[in-house]
Amino acid sequence: EVQLVQSGAEVKKPGESLKISCKGSGYSFTSYWIGWVRQMPGKGLEWMGIIYPGDSDTRYSPSFQGQVTISADKSISTAYLQWSSLKASDTAMYYCARRNGDYAEGVNWFDPWGQGTLVTVSS
Amino acid sequence: QSVLTQPPSASGTPGQRVTISCSGSSSNIGSNTVNWYQQLPGTAPKLLIYSNNQRPSGVPDRFSGSKSGTSASLAISGLQSEDEADYYCAAWDDSLNGLYVFGTGTKVTVL
Repeated sequence: EVQLVQSGAEVKKPGESLKISCKGSGYSFTSYWIGWVRQMPGKGLEWMGIIYPGDSDTRYSPSFQGQVTISADKSISTAYLQWSSLKASDTAMYYCARRNGDYAEGVNWFDPWGQGTLVTVSS
Repeated sequence: QSVLTQPPSASGTPGQRVTISCSGSSSNIGSNTVNWYQQLPGTAPKLLIYSNNQRPSGVPDRFSGSKSGTSASLAISGLQSEDEADYYCAAWDDSLNGLYVFGTGTKVTVL
């Protein structure tokens, strides 16, 4: 079974750093892009960026460029999302998801999704 | 940040048909296939429709998708109480070195 399992909920203070994870199993981790999505409380889905674990090629949404860092360790089939200095506005649920499709033909979809990691930033 | 526009809400009684629209542009829906995700309360999004009109294994055939030009739509026929959820359209966008864009989301309520 193809599965993405995310790390557990985090409670942090403003200014602290954080790295959350997304571990893939049941498929060749280095052959599929992994994307990250933010959902703030009561709001919609926002695309943050993606990484190709095979060569660590990474793309960011302009809204998140410079705000977060996406990385991967292919030796343990795990992708990461990290912050160097959290803000209260980073409080949200974060999801990872696997990219599928024939990208050259404009066919992209994301499945499966991880269960989500809730990040709470509060003083 | 959403560049795909959906109505904020839709509703129907059990058994009715509900349709959700998704409006984009030439750089996203006009150039790439559309996907739909269902998010039940308190859960992660789940792929509902991919490549405009394809259903993943396990998704009931009550759900159908279509695309025309720079717009797409999701139809739920024979509405059931368990369909009460948030629905998001999404597509790849060819601008800015490529990124994925979501719709604004539609809350479906079963009356």
